[in-house]
Amino acid sequence: EAGVTQFPSHSVIEKGQTVTLRCDPISGHDNLYWYRRVMGKEIKFLLHFVKESKQDESGMPNNRFLAERTGGTYSTLKVQPAELEDSGVYFCASSPTGDTIYFGEGSWLTVV
Amino acid sequence: AQSVTQLGSHVSVSEGALVLLRCNYSSSVPPYLFWYVQYPNQGLQLLLKYTSAATLVKGINGFEAEFKKSETSFHLTKPSAHMSDAAEYFCAVSKQGAQKLVFGQGTRLTINP
Repeated sequence: EAGVTQFPSHSVIEKGQTVTLRCDPISGHDNLYWYRRVMGKEIKFLLHFVKESKQDESGMPNNRFLAERTGGTYSTLKVQPAELEDSGVYFCASSPTGDTIYFGEGSWLTVV
Repeated sequence: AQSVTQLGSHVSVSEGALVLLRCNYSSSVPPYLFWYVQYPNQGLQLLLKYTSAATLVKGINGFEAEFKKSETSFHLTKPSAHMSDAAEYFCAVSKQGAQKLVFGQGTRLTINP
């Protein structure tokens, strides 16, 4: 069974550009999460989808970040325009029930 | 609000020695507790979890953790370190039935030959 898949694995963009990260959860998992680890800091929750609905987006840092999960399958996280402080690793995770959360390998974003 | 403190951002042990990674939590409600591991160039992998059943939890790769409510701790141990245990370890807490994990700062474990 395939795990949580994230694309791209690494991305380098210039300040002011746009980046879109994609996450494919484990098949059948209704719960999908985005987390972020900025360099030197702890991993922090961004938001949680249940199917296509945003259950909790309390961790989204500002309106430059937009997450979608059309059709309740894969999800995208867009950063527009990117700032230097957005650099870090973005983790996607999924769960069937919320009891155990399975993480992907992360998308490393560098904004220069 | 919930929080997690991992004591020691870097821990170094010799191969074959005891591994002890410390985690203390703060929670106003009975917590769920987790340890995740991130090996180099890989994603986060669940090592073990406590969800209000047995207080001593056994995980993968010989790791275990004990939930101590009186000490608000959930320390991770392994009797004998192996070179392949070198990784970064994260303790996390969530509310029962809730979906959001709150992570500690992470502890990077180095194994000396």
